Amino acid sequence: NAGVTQTPKFQVLKTGQSMTLQCAQDMNHNSMYWYRQDPGMGLRLIYYSASEGTTDKGEVPNGYNVSRLNKREFSLRLESAAPSQTSVYFCASTTGDSNYGYTFGSGTRLTVV
Amino acid sequence: QKEVEQDPGPLSVPEGAIVSLNCTYSNSAFQYFMWYRQYSRKGPELLMYTYSSGNKEDGRFTAQVDKSSKYISLFIRDSQPSDSATYLCAMIISGYSTLTFGKGTMLLVSP
Repeated sequence: NAGVTQTPKFQVLKTGQSMTLQCAQDMNHNSMYWYRQDPGMGLRLIYYSASEGTTDKGEVPNGYNVSRLNKREFSLRLESAAPSQTSVYFCASTTGDSNYGYTFGSGTRLTVV
Repeated sequence: QKEVEQDPGPLSVPEGAIVSLNCTYSNSAFQYFMWYRQYSRKGPELLMYTYSSGNKEDGRFTAQVDKSSKYISLFIRDSQPSDSATYLCAMIISGYSTLTFGKGTMLLVSP
């Protein structure tokens, strides 16, 4: 029972490089989310997908793009990485009913130098 | 003013103490309230979930919601060193897709 799987776990990028963070869930959840977590800032929502085929901006979407590839997978792309995007990124999923909590992945630690 | 306020701590207590963690919120439309526990270098995990006002107990943990005061609490009885983690409160409006999180309180339980 894997839950939410994120890859890679660690990544170092040079400024200007691009990369895609992968997220997959095996719980048949409808909604998926991407957060970043920085010291003193808490969890901040980047993008979310309330259901397959839809995506919406969160609190801090600039510099990111997302793709809901299918019901299981939701990827986050950094087109031109900047040092300000150094963070821990978490993917989460839920059934889509507001009375259910999220299940989080274990995170991707990204450093942009 | 942020929608959800939570003292970042750290809160340091000796093993066996009763711990009280709290959040205040400003939006009276919030209906579902949750507590997440996050160990260092791990993702948050759902610990407790409550709907509306009242108390909910699960083992050593009690979640309390006071909607009239816009205040939620998590109590930990007989705290253990393994309870050392960051605790995040979260809440959501019925029908909405996204949770609103507090910034988290770091708890340190010393043996």
